[in-house]
Amino acid sequence: EPEVTQTPSHQVTQMGQEVILRCVPISNHLYFYWYRQILGQKVEFLVSFYNNEISEKSEIFDDQFSVERPDGSNFTLKIRSTKLEDSAMYFCASSEARLAGGGWVFGPGTRLTVL
Amino acid sequence: GESVGLHLPTLSVQEGDNSIINCAYSNSASDYFIWYKQESGKGPQFIIDIRSNMDKRQGQRVTVLLNKTVKHLSLQIAATQPGDSAVYFCAETAFNNMRFGAGTRLTVKP
Repeated sequence: EPEVTQTPSHQVTQMGQEVILRCVPISNHLYFYWYRQILGQKVEFLVSFYNNEISEKSEIFDDQFSVERPDGSNFTLKIRSTKLEDSAMYFCASSEARLAGGGWVFGPGTRLTVL
Repeated sequence: GESVGLHLPTLSVQEGDNSIINCAYSNSASDYFIWYKQESGKGPQFIIDIRSNMDKRQGQRVTVLLNKTVKHLSLQIAATQPGDSAVYFCAETAFNNMRFGAGTRLTVKP
């Protein structure tokens, strides 16, 4: 069964440093998403991406965040200057269609720890 | 603002019993409602979804009920097994994102 993969599984960084989280969505999917989950809390929407541009973003996704699809397979989330409160699990997801309820597939996540 | 939330944060059941996990939502414009299961250290795993024009959908051992009148969603798990122990999230899709509720931790006692 096709999977969404994410690397690294765990990233430790110093406050103020830049981090790039990588995702490989399912190959025939067209919509891509980033979510984060602070420990013990709910999964929060960050951004959706379609046709090489951001289609929607939440209030969490400020100027410190950016996304990119640098080639035909990778989808990245960059945090320019990390803060302590950016520590969380970051999940990438992809879907074939925009409103396919069961068609969203989530990756295993990257645990980001900001010291 | 619009939100998706859970009635109960924890639920403990005996193995073999049926489990019911509830969720309240407030966005009437949502197209799909979905239940996800999240095990420790893993990403959300799709369980079952229901379109907004339906009120019931059944899967293998799971049933989702949607009551649009009171904006309530529930997940029923039949014959709960130890492997069902996890956090369960309801979610809704509207426009171009999916929003999650707070989650309910289901613990299955042997």
